[in-house]
Amino acid sequence: QSALTQPASVSGSPGQSITISCTGTTSDVGGYHYVSWYQHHPDKAPKLMIYEVSNRPSGVSNRFSGSKSGNTASLTISGLQAEDEADYYCTSYTSSSSPYVFGTGTKVTVL
Amino acid sequence: EVQLVESGGGLVKSGGSLRLSCAASGFTLNTYSMNWVRQAPGKGLEWVSSIGTTWNHIYYADSVKGRFTISRDNAKNSLYLQMNSLRAEDTAVYYCARDSISARRSVDYWGQGTLVTVSS
Repeated sequence: QSALTQPASVSGSPGQSITISCTGTTSDVGGYHYVSWYQHHPDKAPKLMIYEVSNRPSGVSNRFSGSKSGNTASLTISGLQAEDEADYYCTSYTSSSSPYVFGTGTKVTVL
Repeated sequence: EVQLVESGGGLVKSGGSLRLSCAASGFTLNTYSMNWVRQAPGKGLEWVSSIGTTWNHIYYADSVKGRFTISRDNAKNSLYLQMNSLRAEDTAVYYCARDSISARRSVDYWGQGTLVTVSS
């Protein structure tokens, strides 16, 4: 199972909006409504930010939103803040034998 | 409060074995599917293995199939990963991760990770 494709890095200034893409195939992202996004700060446990494409867990800021079109899912962070600087990973359910496939990861830098 | 605490990592020679443990608290392990996810130095997250609430739902990444074995002891509220025939490319931080029940096909809690270093 190949990893989902994400841009290596995305940057933005405080207050701006950025979007991270996550591209897969019809066997994963495009075929199911089970895309999740995780935020990972160095030396910390990853944190679930979005599940089932566009749902936010309780406690996650509404500055984070998710969407999907075809084989590509997206995470948008609006009103970018310094604390948003982290690595972000998408995952998707997949028709292969693996319950999860992760994206390649995107480093978000707040300028 | 839900907590997952991994242990058992360390330095091992290529071809050696290690057993990772994950102690769960704040919830009943037997009602959740569980996972191991790893991150090699400078690399992204990689799913390693999953075990369902019943033993007939066990899955492995191709990279570890035949070498790693996932198991659970519900009485001890613990998850395990037996790692044999270790290779340098298995060097990583290994995270124990709980599947969410409400957020389907997502992980809602992660441990802090335990570092496994395989020397060649």
